Amino acid sequence: QSVLTQPPSVSGAPGQRVTISCTGSSSNIGAGYDVHWYQQSPGTAPKLLIYANRNRPSGVPDRFSASKSGTSAFLAITGLQAEDEADYYCQSYDTSLSGSGVFGGGTKVTVL
Amino acid sequence: QVELQESGPGVVKPSETLSLTCTVSGASVSTATLYWTWIRQPPGKALEWIGYIYYTGTTAYNPSLESRVTISADRSQNQFSLNLRSVTAADTAIYYCASLNSQWLALEFWGQGALVTVSS
Repeated sequence: QSVLTQPPSVSGAPGQRVTISCTGSSSNIGAGYDVHWYQQSPGTAPKLLIYANRNRPSGVPDRFSASKSGTSAFLAITGLQAEDEADYYCQSYDTSLSGSGVFGGGTKVTVL
Repeated sequence: QVELQESGPGVVKPSETLSLTCTVSGASVSTATLYWTWIRQPPGKALEWIGYIYYTGTTAYNPSLESRVTISADRSQNQFSLNLRSVTAADTAIYYCASLNSQWLALEFWGQGALVTVSS
């Protein structure tokens, strides 16, 4: 069981908007740690998608956006495209685990 | 652009030690701007944090693995390594090395991953 909770799956038609939640607690997201998001396409290594709650690395389309509030974080994909079909993971840190990094369980995005 | 490449045995026997090396290019393992990190992913499952090493030699591990894990660095080879002792089938996973940006604490660059199977 992951420290950060994500829905196992979300889906949407091309062009639609989907959101993924990442729920933590007062010892991780609620403690003020930043949240980062990674995209993992089938058979490949994860790729940094969003860092420090809302920032996109160079080359990441602005269709991807994220926010953080309280003990949760959210990733939104607008204008969903077939290439967005992948697993998405949130990541933060946890004081109860000596500051170790923690991941969410991952969310599979399916483009219908 | 930092590039990382994992290498090591693809099969390890139960109770033995899993050893992997990550070769870094495009950055030095002696830089103060990056932490050198190991993450794993059992087949079909989520990512799991293993730990990291900093240029000072400081290490930090996931408490669930701490008793069995050692991460070390070889500056002369620009590599860092993972040793996981007393492995069981539950340690079968794809093992990734990655660079952790010291400003944002995000895993900025990843290796392609190395599948390690624990089997007799």
